Amino acid sequence: DTGVSQNPRHKITKRGQNVTFRCDPISEHNRLYWYRQTLGQGPEFLTYFQNEAQLEKSRLLSDRFSAERPKGSFSTLEIQRTEQGDSAMYLCASRPPLRAGDTQYFGPGTRLTVL
Amino acid sequence: AQSVTQPDIHITVSEGASLELRCNYSYGATPYLFWYVQSPGQGLQLLLKYFSGDTLVQGIKGFEAEFKRSQSSFNLRKPSVHWSDAAEYFCAVGAGYGNKLVFGAGTILRVKS
Repeated sequence: DTGVSQNPRHKITKRGQNVTFRCDPISEHNRLYWYRQTLGQGPEFLTYFQNEAQLEKSRLLSDRFSAERPKGSFSTLEIQRTEQGDSAMYLCASRPPLRAGDTQYFGPGTRLTVL
Repeated sequence: AQSVTQPDIHITVSEGASLELRCNYSYGATPYLFWYVQSPGQGLQLLLKYFSGDTLVQGIKGFEAEFKRSQSSFNLRKPSVHWSDAAEYFCAVGAGYGNKLVFGAGTILRVKS
């Protein structure tokens, strides 16, 4: 069990550029979640996958955001035409299958700064 | 809609003193409740969770929490705080089919020696 990993850990970009983040969940965890955390706030849910299916998206996830989990393993989160308001920590979490309510294990996050 | 309120933004306690962090939730069904801790530059680490059964749950690092349905509360406690407990603490409720987590705004704990 190597934990959830996220890359890159930090990303600085200019407004209008596209960025992509990657999340590698704990192996055999079929559920994967993305959250966004801004300064002074708790994490806010963005979207989640069960295997390769994206089952729920928050209204926070505008048209500029897209997430994929093509083979049910790693996931990517892409932000197109970044805005300064996108600056935040993007957290990924994974959860084992079955039994509702099991723990979500979080990665270290990707900190995005949009200049 | 589900929500979590952590009334205290900052709390300062002396090392060795007891600690209680407050959490109130709003959720229509039986809640799944969690406390996570986040140190600077780190991800979220689970301290403890409540699903059902005994309303007093024990967690890691000497923390415990008590679920009180009548008060819609899930307060976190520790009898004796250590300097290494300084961090930000988040209460969360698991919501919906996918059990996405709805977090409170967090409480920053400072420990003075």
